[in-house]
Amino acid sequence: DVQFLESGGDLVQPGGSLRLSCAASERTFQYYAMTWVRQAPGKGLEWVSSITDNGGSTYYADSVKGRFTISRDNSKKMLHLLMTSLRAEDSAVYFCARVIPDWSGYHSSWGQGTLVIVSS
Amino acid sequence: SFDLTQPPSVSVSPGQTATITCSGHNLGFKSTSWYQQKPGQSPVLVIYQNSRRPSGIPERFSASTSGNTATLTISGTQAIDEADYYCQAWDAKTVFGGGTKLTVL
Repeated sequence: DVQFLESGGDLVQPGGSLRLSCAASERTFQYYAMTWVRQAPGKGLEWVSSITDNGGSTYYADSVKGRFTISRDNSKKMLHLLMTSLRAEDSAVYFCARVIPDWSGYHSSWGQGTLVIVSS
Repeated sequence: SFDLTQPPSVSVSPGQTATITCSGHNLGFKSTSWYQQKPGQSPVLVIYQNSRRPSGIPERFSASTSGNTATLTISGTQAIDEADYYCQAWDAKTVFGGGTKLTVL
């Protein structure tokens, strides 16, 4: 089955920026919508953003709209999340996941997550 | 806004049946998925499209949806099933329930 590996998590100051990446193991990556889901320490899962298979449409949770940008490079099997104007409440483990059959579907495969800490 | 409500915790004895509910407006008209997450691990899909089980998920996991409630049932619960469980549906955006901690004692 396809595997995902997230990277880019770090400690960043409030107001700062960070770019997360998610590398897919298979070329089938290009055929699926993808999602970022985050989980604050000790809390539940929160949908952050989704992108269609060809990158033509993107969707954001209200909490990150205007600050985060999702993108993908199918030729490199990569998914990205550019996070700007970071706040303490953005601190979380960020997971990428494949969504089937489209961005409104179920999350069939997840990465291991990358930790983002926003703190001064 | 569309919300999914789960009980914070459920306890079950080994070998017994665990039932976890997920409530949301008109949930019966939507497609619900369920995820299992053990401490320090990524979520794992255990049910999709209301009642379908991915390959590799034990038959003791089943689910159904009726009215405003989706239900995950684990028959013959084992110690390894102890985990957090999340329901998920879509209503103009992806929504997760708050999660239910299943304790097997």
